[in-house]
Amino acid sequence: QKEVEQNSGPLSVPEGAIASLNCTYSDRGSQSFFWYRQYSGKSPELIMSIYSNGDKEDGRFTAQLNKASQYVSLLIRDSQPSDSATYLCAVKNNNDMRFGAGTRLTVKP
Amino acid sequence: SAVISQKPSRDICQRGTSLTIQCQVDSQVTMMFWYRQQPGQSLTLIATANQGSEATYESGFVIDKFPISRPNLTFSTLTVSNMSPEDSSIYLCSVAGQGGIEAFFGQGTRLTVV
Repeated sequence: QKEVEQNSGPLSVPEGAIASLNCTYSDRGSQSFFWYRQYSGKSPELIMSIYSNGDKEDGRFTAQLNKASQYVSLLIRDSQPSDSATYLCAVKNNNDMRFGAGTRLTVKP
Repeated sequence: SAVISQKPSRDICQRGTSLTIQCQVDSQVTMMFWYRQQPGQSLTLIATANQGSEATYESGFVIDKFPISRPNLTFSTLTVSNMSPEDSSIYLCSVAGQGGIEAFFGQGTRLTVV
């Protein structure tokens, strides 16, 4: 069974802090890694993709990938209340995309 | 990213009835995907819809329960047949981005079966 694991949370951080979201996966053949943000009652929205080991930065978001440890993370700097949502980690091997259950993040003003 | 229109956005249905969900994309795509997201859970792939061929169903999902049509490269439907309360869920259609890697989602259909 190919699994994607995330802590369900809730993860609560104060406004302006760094939020750190983590994800592990079991399929060593995975090639592509994604973070989606899902607001309550809405569909998932792609915010980051990463394909090679290391860090990838986009604005306040940094994705980190370590294929040897089968680990991908998302850092959100200067967290804002509008970042409060569920963050889904997704892992893809060829056409097979698997999602984690998501981590619920709350940013408190 | 593609613009994906999904409807209805929500519905309340009687058990034993069927609901057809439509998904329209603003560009031609080879594969369209149908997911289910049950309350508090992650996305589960139901099936992959290819134009001109039968849909490919994931383990635990069957064509009789979830028939799919894919008449052209911009449109697909998913029918939830003979519904029971356990089918209450959010149903999402998805397409791959231009590079064929990322997944983009429609607005979702929130189904409640009573």
